[in-house]
Amino acid sequence: EAQVTQNPRYLITVTGKKLTVTCSQNMNHEYMSWYRQDPGLGLRQIYYSMNVEVTDKGDVPEGYKVSRKEKRNFPLILESPSPNQTSLYFCASSQTGLLTDTQYFGPGTRLTVL
Amino acid sequence: AQSVTQLDSQVPVFEEAPVELRCNYSSSVSVYLFWYVQYPNQGLQLLLKYLSGSTLVKGINGFEAEFNKSQTSFHLRKPSVHISDTAEYFCAVTDSSTDSWGKFQFGAGTQVVVTP
Repeated sequence: EAQVTQNPRYLITVTGKKLTVTCSQNMNHEYMSWYRQDPGLGLRQIYYSMNVEVTDKGDVPEGYKVSRKEKRNFPLILESPSPNQTSLYFCASSQTGLLTDTQYFGPGTRLTVL
Repeated sequence: AQSVTQLDSQVPVFEEAPVELRCNYSSSVSVYLFWYVQYPNQGLQLLLKYLSGSTLVKGINGFEAEFNKSQTSFHLRKPSVHISDTAEYFCAVTDSSTDSWGKFQFGAGTQVVVTP
């Protein structure tokens, strides 16, 4: 089954403790992206990647890092999480990154930083 | 830069009644427009998109939207809703000078609650 998977689905952590949220897709998609969803703000893009080793900042990249060493994986790294990063995170992918392609979203990761 | 405003944060509607979700955008350039749906505890699914051509766009699950350039709007409609349409709906915009998903702006979302 074609899908985007994220792990973990739920995470509670403390301020300053480094964490990684993994994202993997099995559709051989070139484009991958991370969003955060906050009430009243909709989704905001954190980082995106047009292909392996090609990443770029979205609207809210501060406090986050990403890497794209393999086509299928696009982990989101929080080096020193803070409470304002408490949010619902979504990973997405599409075939080529072109708008004619459909973006597929993962199920989300709910992160709480205490 | 573009921005998107969804005018209603919540829309209650009775089953089998019509619904309209309003979306306005601002941009100094031409745009592409999208509507996504998010069912409880799930990721987003694309309902429909406007890239070019006819301003009336038909999507999945009986939804349609109309692009109105003069009013900078892209309202979503369904003539008769079902209980299963209870979900959050997001309008999104991107600059049409790019053909990629690179920069993408979402609205704050409209929660649709369908009751019998």
